[in-house]
Amino acid sequence: DTEVTQTPKHLVMGMTNKKSLKCEQHMGHRAMYWYKQKAKKPPELMFVYSYEKLSINESVPSRFSPECPNSSLLNLHLHALQPEDSALYLCASSQGGGLYNEQFFGPGTRLTVL
Amino acid sequence: DAKTTQPPSMDCAEGRAANLPCNHSTISGNEYVYWYRQIHSQGPQYIIHGLKNNETNEMASLIITEDRKSSTLILPHATLRDTAVYYCIVRRSGAGSYQLTFGKGTKLSVIP
Repeated sequence: DTEVTQTPKHLVMGMTNKKSLKCEQHMGHRAMYWYKQKAKKPPELMFVYSYEKLSINESVPSRFSPECPNSSLLNLHLHALQPEDSALYLCASSQGGGLYNEQFFGPGTRLTVL
Repeated sequence: DAKTTQPPSMDCAEGRAANLPCNHSTISGNEYVYWYRQIHSQGPQYIIHGLKNNETNEMASLIITEDRKSSTLILPHATLRDTAVYYCIVRRSGAGSYQLTFGKGTKLSVIP
């Protein structure tokens, strides 16, 4: 299984809602990532988990809260988002860091904040 | 990580080779060149990476100049399904190095 799956595919939420994005991989990878991609822009790294511990937080606002319950799952909890947070949220995984960093990406969740 | 420069767009006739250039003049000795592509509305897909030798896999070839200041990704027989944004990324190989910093990429259009 060489897939990274993400649910839901699309999400519409209001600014007062709480929602979660989910990501799953069964490749035995020990690093997992969240990226944000605005329309017509390249992906931007948000968080990195390595061995289920938060390794990198790229100064992301606290209304985005990542969670890694186990080595196969990665969640992104959303609360009190703003319309400018509307974007494609991509999850990725890799065997590790350094040279072994061929990252496998999921199809993304397209988020719209009203 | 070193910065990369790519043309914003390119066209290629179907069946011909697509040659996508990338400049990375400030690359360091321990930095690798990675290529990813992103087909519309999909997640990025890894293509190939290299340090200084030319590399080939089932998807593409990567040619790195001797001074390592530039590289070219070659898709030998482009098909319509190769229409995508292609990203050239330079990154360190050290342990604990996780970041992929995407630039603006090259939008490749394969034309029938």
